[in-house]
Amino acid sequence: SYVLTQPPSVSVAPGKTARITCGGNNIGSKSVHWYQQKPGQAPVLVVYDDSDRPSGIPERFSGSNSGNTATLTISRVEAGDEADYYCQVWDSSSDHSSYVFGTGTKVTVL
Amino acid sequence: EVQLVQSGAEVKKPGESLRISCKGSGYSFTSYWISWVRQMPGKGLEWMGRIDPSDSYTNYSPSFQGHVTISADKSISTAYLQWSSLKASDTAMYYCARLEGVTPGLNYFDYWGQGTLVTVSS
Repeated sequence: SYVLTQPPSVSVAPGKTARITCGGNNIGSKSVHWYQQKPGQAPVLVVYDDSDRPSGIPERFSGSNSGNTATLTISRVEAGDEADYYCQVWDSSSDHSSYVFGTGTKVTVL
Repeated sequence: EVQLVQSGAEVKKPGESLRISCKGSGYSFTSYWISWVRQMPGKGLEWMGRIDPSDSYTNYSPSFQGHVTISADKSISTAYLQWSSLKASDTAMYYCARLEGVTPGLNYFDYWGQGTLVTVSS
């Protein structure tokens, strides 16, 4: 099955830039979506189709995808960005196609 | 406003059956697939399966095939996740989520329910 690997944690100072990676075999050929999950809350879509933002999501959230790595970038980080972030793709490479989530990254704002 | 409202928390014993629900509103319920996603305590997100509410066609993750049943009643805009015999390892938060788009390689979960906590303990 397809595996998406994320760093367990990323720490960033307020006002700086956080970059969260999502590694997968030839992930650049897939559409990657990103979700933010704050403690005790349901996930929220923050980036879809590699780099598009749903309405209501700040421009500070951006995404890119190439080769074996997709990246979610949070610019001018705020305390409210502290959360777990998950990448997600659709995998059709095996007999059983599935939606696959990354391992998750906890973003801590220092 | 699109909303997915899930049923309340459940406490069950091993071996018992359970059905939890997810009611959609603010959109055409039969126009979007609904998925269920598991999150075990302190762990990440796992896709369980999806249903097309228009005809109740389902797909399951191999990890959950045979262990749960996903169904829907389009007349009341509600999707369900069901167990016939719960195990302690089923203790988790379960989310329903709407799938935007019809192409599996391109669609994503654009709206989520608030989650239903299922606790299985003797």
